[in-house]
Amino acid sequence: NAGVTQTPKFQVLKTGQSMTLQCAQDMNHNSMYWYRQDPGMGLRLIYYSASEGTTDKGEVPNGYNVSRLNKREFSLRLESAAPSQTSVYFCASSEAPSSHQPQHFGDGTRLSIL
Amino acid sequence: QKEVEQNSGPLSVPEGAIASLNCTYSDRGSQSFFWYRQYSGKSPELIMFIYSNGDKEDGRFTAQLNKASQYVSLLIRDSQPSDSATYLCAVNQGGKLIFGQGTELSVKP
Repeated sequence: NAGVTQTPKFQVLKTGQSMTLQCAQDMNHNSMYWYRQDPGMGLRLIYYSASEGTTDKGEVPNGYNVSRLNKREFSLRLESAAPSQTSVYFCASSEAPSSHQPQHFGDGTRLSIL
Repeated sequence: QKEVEQNSGPLSVPEGAIASLNCTYSDRGSQSFFWYRQYSGKSPELIMFIYSNGDKEDGRFTAQLNKASQYVSLLIRDSQPSDSATYLCAVNQGGKLIFGQGTELSVKP
């Protein structure tokens, strides 16, 4: 059982380039999330999708867009990458957005923007 | 004031000791609380969750919740070097997890 799969695992971009981070889950979860993790900052929510067909902004959405392609897949797009977006990006999923559901994380994408 | 606060550490304990990790939160309406462990270069993994006031035990781990004081803690008994990691406290607010900055724990043999 793969759980939450993220691709790519590593990426280096130049300022201004665009790219899409992919995330897929095989747990039949309804809710999916994108976080970024910076040193000393913990995990911060970028966007989330409570259910298929819905997306909402999190704490730090500027510079990002998302697409909930279907129940399994939730992608994160950087339209014009900036050095401030250098970070580790984690995708997570949960059964539902209710308060008692834990989130399960993918292995992360390490993104460097030069 | 940060919504979820943890001591950043590092917290160093000798092998076999009890490690105590603390977390405070600002939203009194929060209903559920999670502890994740994150090894260096790895993703967070869930180790404990707690919803009700009091203690919840799972093996060597005990989560403690005091909603009146807006305080949640994690105790690790008989600490092992393999417990060395960063521990993240997360509070569920409206279906979204708000994370603290994490506490780095080092268990010395």
